Amino acid sequence: KAGVTQTPRYLIKTRGQQVTLSCSPISGHRSVSWYQQTPGQGLQFLFEYFSETQRNKGNFPGRFSGRQFSNSRSEMNVSTLELGDSALYLCASSDPQGSNEKLFFGSGTQLSVL
Amino acid sequence: GENVEQHPSTLSVQEGDSAVIKCTYSDSASNYFPWYKQELGKRPQLIIDIRSNVGEKKDQRIAVTLNKTAKHFSLHITETQPEDSAVYFCAAITGGGNKLTFGTGTQLKVEL
Repeated sequence: KAGVTQTPRYLIKTRGQQVTLSCSPISGHRSVSWYQQTPGQGLQFLFEYFSETQRNKGNFPGRFSGRQFSNSRSEMNVSTLELGDSALYLCASSDPQGSNEKLFFGSGTQLSVL
Repeated sequence: GENVEQHPSTLSVQEGDSAVIKCTYSDSASNYFPWYKQELGKRPQLIIDIRSNVGEKKDQRIAVTLNKTAKHFSLHITETQPEDSAVYFCAAITGGGNKLTFGTGTQLKVEL
């Protein structure tokens, strides 16, 4: 099975722009979660989607949004980018048929906001 | 709110020694505690996990212990090797669904 795939691998944007990141989960996984990783704050939970529905949401402003499609692929969008949004954005998927909580991470999208 | 504290933030050991990383959690409803290893520039990878109905779990040189009463859990690595050098994150399931709250990470360095 292919692992969790995230695209693009790197992104450079300027303040005020918006960005869309993509995540393809492991085949058969229906839960997709997003995390923001920064050197100072570690891994922070953004949101989780299951069967196209947002099941959990972290403490991030409304500029951060996401969605999940019927094939379980997920996207997250950040609007009106700020310098502090520079981070590694990690997507993780899990298998509801097996051990639901085991998260498998993608390699992430490194976002730099200039 | 949910919180997971992790100590130490950095840990340096000699090859062959043991390493212990400790975490505490605040949500008494947490029932699943994974540990992830992240090498430089790579994705976090699950190395071991434990559920709240188990006190200890071992996988070769790695073990995790859980004390539900005290709300803390620990990662033990024995006979450390240079390839164990990485950042280790503890986490706990909090709230419903698959929301993981992570500790702040421990940079483990195994010196020759």
